[in-house]
Amino acid sequence: DTAVSQTPKYLVTQMGNDKSIKCEQNLGHDTMYWYKQDSKKFLKIMFSYNNKELIINETVPNRFSPKSPDKAHLNLHINSLELGDSAVYFCASRGGRGQPQHFGDGTRLSIL
Amino acid sequence: GENVEQHPSTLSVQEGDSAVIKCTYSDSASNYFPWYKQELGKRPQLIIDIRSNVGEKKDQRIAVTLNKTAKHFSLHITETQPEDSAVYFCAATGDDKIIFGKGTRLHILP
Repeated sequence: DTAVSQTPKYLVTQMGNDKSIKCEQNLGHDTMYWYKQDSKKFLKIMFSYNNKELIINETVPNRFSPKSPDKAHLNLHINSLELGDSAVYFCASRGGRGQPQHFGDGTRLSIL
Repeated sequence: GENVEQHPSTLSVQEGDSAVIKCTYSDSASNYFPWYKQELGKRPQLIIDIRSNVGEKKDQRIAVTLNKTAKHFSLHITETQPEDSAVYFCAATGDDKIIFGKGTRLHILP
């Protein structure tokens, strides 16, 4: 059983389109995250939700909108995709403070 | 703001030798320090962690040390093997936010 699963694994789309990435965790964790990893491999936090509530919102364009229908799901919707959005997006979850994060397998987004 | 510096960015060691990766953090409230390994095309995975009430922790060939006064922590890998080749990330956290270092690409040379 995959603990943190995100779909799709690959996403290739045209500039200007709108797309969504879904994430689900079956670990019973309260906190979920979205990270962006660029070609230099930097892991940059984008958002964090705790029990469906937004707690971290880094400097991310408002074209990116997270949605958490329940604490097991955190989806990411991106409007008007730009070339610079090409990256691998990782979802992660954590059980509590002082606990490690568990990452999904990533979604590789390529903008043509 | 909070920051985690990680060095070196790239490290090449001969198979069988030791590798050391160092990190410093700025937030004195940080109390949990995980290390992640990311193989090519895979997700980051936790390999070892240490809490602020401990100075050193070891798990087989991997060890982590923490100096809270100096705000330094390090990852030590002994008897390196080809499968140790990966990108390693240190991280520091004190509350809801976890701050990652920029990663170290470790190459194990045959």
